[in-house]
Amino acid sequence: GESVGLHLPTLSVQEGDNSIINCAYSNSASDYFIWYKQESGKGPQFIIDIRSNMDKRQGQRVTVLLNKTVKHLSLQIAATQPGDSAVYFCAEARGGNQFYFGTGTSLTVIP
Amino acid sequence: DSGVTQTPKHLITATGQRVTLRCSPRSGDLSVYWYQQSLDQGLQFLIHYYNGEERAKGNILERFSAQQFPDLHSELNLSSLELGDSALYFCASSVWGPNTEAFFGQGTRLTVV
Repeated sequence: GESVGLHLPTLSVQEGDNSIINCAYSNSASDYFIWYKQESGKGPQFIIDIRSNMDKRQGQRVTVLLNKTVKHLSLQIAATQPGDSAVYFCAEARGGNQFYFGTGTSLTVIP
Repeated sequence: DSGVTQTPKHLITATGQRVTLRCSPRSGDLSVYWYQQSLDQGLQFLIHYYNGEERAKGNILERFSAQQFPDLHSELNLSSLELGDSALYFCASSVWGPNTEAFFGQGTRLTVV
């Protein structure tokens, strides 16, 4: 069935390295994507979004890449810091009425 | 602070009871979304309201219902509670529909005992 999924459930990186978190989606009609960060016990925090008419968008230390050909989304975090440790979710908007969330990738930054 | 306010933060109740969770969206946001997050699980979409009207329903049980009021705040009602309903319930809001940034509240942690 249709799904928004993540390639890896966990990711560990050294402090200062770059992190890449991946997300696959299956609905080619999706036209809007958001990355969220969720720390333990807190609500998801908006990081960055991208629309389907773009293939790259940059924020502060984060970059989102969208490859519509293979229906793949990635989040790149530059110079990963301990405060980046969290679960990261990608969300996909389909049909204009709801967001669909992936299962999440747990990022652990090793000092 | 996302600007989305949820109350209460914590709720403990017994099986069979009914509770109401409240969400105040960001100022100016017309859409409200409700999500359920069980332990170590992803976010399960429950329902979406836009300017007082229901727009989409996800995996919402018949025991659950929601509404959005004229002042745009929303309430999620959970009845005949079961142990399995214990979860974090999040509300999110966006200016229009889900083609605009959605911001989440801090959630209500519901524990059914």
